[in-house]
Amino acid sequence: AQKITQTQPGMFVQEKEAVTLDCTYDTSDPSYGLFWYKQPSSGEMIFLIYQGSYDQQNATEGRYSLNFQKARKSANLVISASQLGDSAMYFCAMREGYTGFQKLVFGTGTRLLVSP
Amino acid sequence: DAGVIQSPRHEVTEMGQEVTLRCKPISGHNSLFWYRQTMMRGLELLIYFNNNVPIDDSGMPEDRFSAKMPNASFSTLKIQPSEPRDSAVYFCASSRASNTEAFFGQGTRLTVV
Repeated sequence: AQKITQTQPGMFVQEKEAVTLDCTYDTSDPSYGLFWYKQPSSGEMIFLIYQGSYDQQNATEGRYSLNFQKARKSANLVISASQLGDSAMYFCAMREGYTGFQKLVFGTGTRLLVSP
Repeated sequence: DAGVIQSPRHEVTEMGQEVTLRCKPISGHNSLFWYRQTMMRGLELLIYFNNNVPIDDSGMPEDRFSAKMPNASFSTLKIQPSEPRDSAVYFCASSRASNTEAFFGQGTRLTVV
């Protein structure tokens, strides 16, 4: 079964607008971490933001915020004031399990295109 | 900090040849991951080490693939013999042990002809 589901293969947004990229996850472990990564066309994987399962507040990092809804098992990435340089693939990922036994698994990704 | 270092960046080899990909994780990181990325299958976790010990190799596609981590600063992924369907970008990533982000290397683009 898929642990991380990203249902949007592609998203379009106009420059300066906000966009939400969806991510749902599946785990029975009470302790887990959720991550978002960006992969531009150059190919590198860039860490954007992290949310721990016990964190009370939604994570924010500059223009990135994570809309964490624990009961729904969703961890959507919100990018505010989109820029042309935000065009890239975005991956949601999860670590679960005991310390030392926490592999990191990724969703299939969402391709974001920001237009002028 | 130099980040995660992978070598080579590009590798072109003939079918049947042995291929060795190398990774130097970030100093102080306990966990190391090898991933394969293709258009068809996305980003697949191949194997995961913690404190140099392989914890989960369930993603290794077949016996032709093997990975080692002889010490905390070096890991290899070997394919022997290589096949055209092994063509992909292979990423190495490292992190501290518990719920923290992983940092990725630049990847090795492997082409098997």
